[in-house]
Order: sequence, then structure tokens, then C-alpha cells
Amino acid sequence: EPEVTQTPSHQVTQMGQEVILRCVPISNHLYFYWYRQILGQKVEFLVSFYNNEISEKSEIFDDQFSVERPDGSNFTLKIRSTKLEDSAMYFCASRGRREQYFGPGTRLTVT
Amino acid sequence: RKEVEQDPGPFNVPEGATVAFNCTYSNSASQSFFWYRQDCRKEPKLLMSVYSSGNEDGRFTAQLNRASQYISLLIRDSKLSDSATYLCVVNPGNFGNEKLTFGTGTRLTIIP
Repeated sequence: EPEVTQTPSHQVTQMGQEVILRCVPISNHLYFYWYRQILGQKVEFLVSFYNNEISEKSEIFDDQFSVERPDGSNFTLKIRSTKLEDSAMYFCASRGRREQYFGPGTRLTVT
Repeated sequence: RKEVEQDPGPFNVPEGATVAFNCTYSNSASQSFFWYRQDCRKEPKLLMSVYSSGNEDGRFTAQLNRASQYISLLIRDSKLSDSATYLCVVNPGNFGNEKLTFGTGTRLTIIP
């Protein structure tokens, strides 16, 4: 069964550093998403991406965040200057006809 | 009112019992509805979509009441492997422009 993959599984970075989280969506899916989940809290939408552009973004997704689909398979989330409060689990998702399928997540720890 | 509201539980239920979860949502224009399950520190996994006519998948039955803005999930003959957090998820946007809104989840533990 096809699945969404994400790398790395865990990233530790210092405050102020840039991080890039990588995702490979399911191959025939056209819609891509990033969500985050702070420990003990609910999953929150960050951004949706379709046809090589952002279709919607949340208030969390400020100028420090960007997304890109640099080739036909990868979908990345960049945080330019990480803050302590960016520490969370980041999930990538992709959608086929109706449902979104989530990757295993990247745990980002900002120290 | 929260966008998606669930009883956080925990629900501790003996194996073989039937358990029901409820969820309410605030945006009456919401288009699609789902139940996901999440194991500790793992990704949300799709359990089932929820349709207005109600739908069943094995031991799981989901119902949607648009008038009351209410979604339910029923698990019959519960098994140890059903222990997880169950997430009520709503898409408040139009189809094709989706941003899933998650409830905080209901934690279920099945007791042997």
C-alpha cells in the first residue's frame, strides 16, 4: 500500500537556525499539506499546496515558513529562523480523491 | 464554541464491549467529515469517512447529523488493538481547498 514518507524522523536544532523538513507524498496525489502537533495538543493545519502554489495557509504559517515542491516527488517545509515554540511534531499529508493520508512525522526539537 | 469538540475521556472499556464517541462541530458549512485514530506519538491514521447516510466498516459505524452538527462513532466488539486516541476531523472548507480541523481526541483504553 502506498504511503507518505518523511525525513528525518527527528531533528534537533538550535534557536535561530534554519530547518528543512522533507516529505514524499503518495505518487498519484495532487494535493499536499503540512500540519503540526505540539506535544499534548491537537493537530493543527499549517498549509495546503496544489498545482505548485499555496492554496491556503493558517495564521501559524507566517513569513518564517515556506513550502516547496522542488521536483516531482519531494515536498518540503522550511522554517527560516526557528523559535523554541516551533518544537512540535510536523506531519505531511497528501490527498487523492477525498481523504488525506499522513506521513509518520518529523519530531522537531528547538533548543 | 470550539470548532470541533470531543469528550477527551479517557474511556476505559472491557474487551468485547461496545463504545460510542460523539463530536460536535461549529461551522455549519463544513463539507466533509472523518474519524482518524492516533496511537501515542504516531501519525493520525484514517479510520473512516463519515457520510450523511451513515456508513459502516466492519465493527465501526459512523453517523453524521448535519442539522445538529453532530458526528458519532460506534465500535462494536472492541479489541485490545482498538486502544488509541480517536480524532474527530472536519473539513470546513470547500472540496479541493481543504484544511482539516481536528478535535482534541478521545482516548480509549480497552481492558483485557
